Amino acid sequence: QSVLTQPPSVSGAPGQRVTISCTGSSSNIGAGYDVHWYQQLPGTAPKLLIYGNSNRPSGVPDRFSGSKSGTSASLAISGLQAEDDADYYCQSYDSSLSGYVFGTGTKVTVL
Amino acid sequence: QLQLQESGPGLLKPSETLSLTCTVSGGSISSSRYYWGWIRQPPGKGLEWIGSFYYSGSTYYNPSLKSRVTISVDMSKNQFSLKLSSVTAADTAVYYCARRPSGVATYLFDYWGQGTLVTVSS
Repeated sequence: QSVLTQPPSVSGAPGQRVTISCTGSSSNIGAGYDVHWYQQLPGTAPKLLIYGNSNRPSGVPDRFSGSKSGTSASLAISGLQAEDDADYYCQSYDSSLSGYVFGTGTKVTVL
Repeated sequence: QLQLQESGPGLLKPSETLSLTCTVSGGSISSSRYYWGWIRQPPGKGLEWIGSFYYSGSTYYNPSLKSRVTISVDMSKNQFSLKLSSVTAADTAVYYCARRPSGVATYLFDYWGQGTLVTVSS
């Protein structure tokens, strides 16, 4: 029942840059609600990676960056490293559902 | 350091009621600065918000689960609980408890428990 759409997978070689898109609608991202991103390493709980569209919590490397435009958002990982191999989820709020919504998730594979 | 820990039965039969508890340490669930909630993740699938509560007593539920969900709170034990009735195999998932800051428009989850797997099977 994911309301936000992400590509199922992206991949890149170490050192490369990859981007993950998150497409929503006029009741969530397009309504002005912020987009947040989470990183989920295998077998662990999601970890907040980007908040408020483009802000990094303390301790998150500046290789991770986020942006938002219209009804979509993007997460970019530059200088890809082996430890970035994980699942990534976007998240926002939806006024029609009156609740929090997550993206479908993207598996990042470091080749 | 804030810690959230989920606990409860890992195996249920169809039609039973799922009951989980989240114990919070290093912070107070009676603080006005945060909401607290539950999120689940079926094996190999994405995340789904189940519901949240605020210290004032307000509760908020995912419309798709609202008829079956109840979140309750025990401030004295710094715990909050989830009950999900009439479970089916579709409710098999890892269940996480998480914290949400209460600032204006801060609709994010900044701390998560490690999660607990609940399997529904006859």
